[in-house]
Amino acid sequence: AQSVTQLDSQVPVFEEAPVELRCNYSSSVSVYLFWYVQYPNQGLQLLLKYLSGSTLVKGINGFEAEFNKSQTSFHLRKPSVHISDTAEYFCAVTRTGANNLFFGTGTRLTVIP
Amino acid sequence: DVKVTQSSRYLVKRTGEKVFLECVQDMDHENMFWYRQDPGLGLRLIYFSYDVKMKEKGDIPEGYSVSREKKERFSLILESASTNQTSMYLCASSPGGPGVTEAFFGQGTRLTVV
Repeated sequence: AQSVTQLDSQVPVFEEAPVELRCNYSSSVSVYLFWYVQYPNQGLQLLLKYLSGSTLVKGINGFEAEFNKSQTSFHLRKPSVHISDTAEYFCAVTRTGANNLFFGTGTRLTVIP
Repeated sequence: DVKVTQSSRYLVKRTGEKVFLECVQDMDHENMFWYRQDPGLGLRLIYFSYDVKMKEKGDIPEGYSVSREKKERFSLILESASTNQTSMYLCASSPGGPGVTEAFFGQGTRLTVV
């Protein structure tokens, strides 16, 4: 079965500083990987996804993530954060061809003015 | 735009009541999901459905059942609500085909059981 580990439950960062949110997954088979963002009192919105091809994936709002198969990681990065990036971020994984989707426990990003 | 609509944003029910949470999607998606979200635990999969009348258990199906009589609608049922089922419930849908390539979420239903 697949599982996802988000190592940091909370990440505070100053405005305009870079940020990395870490995600590791466990699976012995081919996977699809996702990052979602949740703003307060809202559902989840897709930031970016890796299905195949280039291991560097660019998403919305200036975020990007790199798929590293050897380290089974899919870390999310942004070079300069804004106050509006304050939200909870979830990493998710599914086995290629499977009809389910498993999430990590989330990382709460707080951008400090 | 894909729209996933959950029938209630906030719900308060009494212990022992039978509770129905409804979810409707308008994009003809084959797959639909129910998750429960709790602080520090992230999203946990309760049930998913890959076709009408088809369902599979997720990680935490105990105390829940589901119904999918029509492709666009996926209902989560709490047969006898308990206080430990107080939580945020999120519905999602995704297109069919080989695997989940993207999931679209509703706004969530915050259920309080008193």
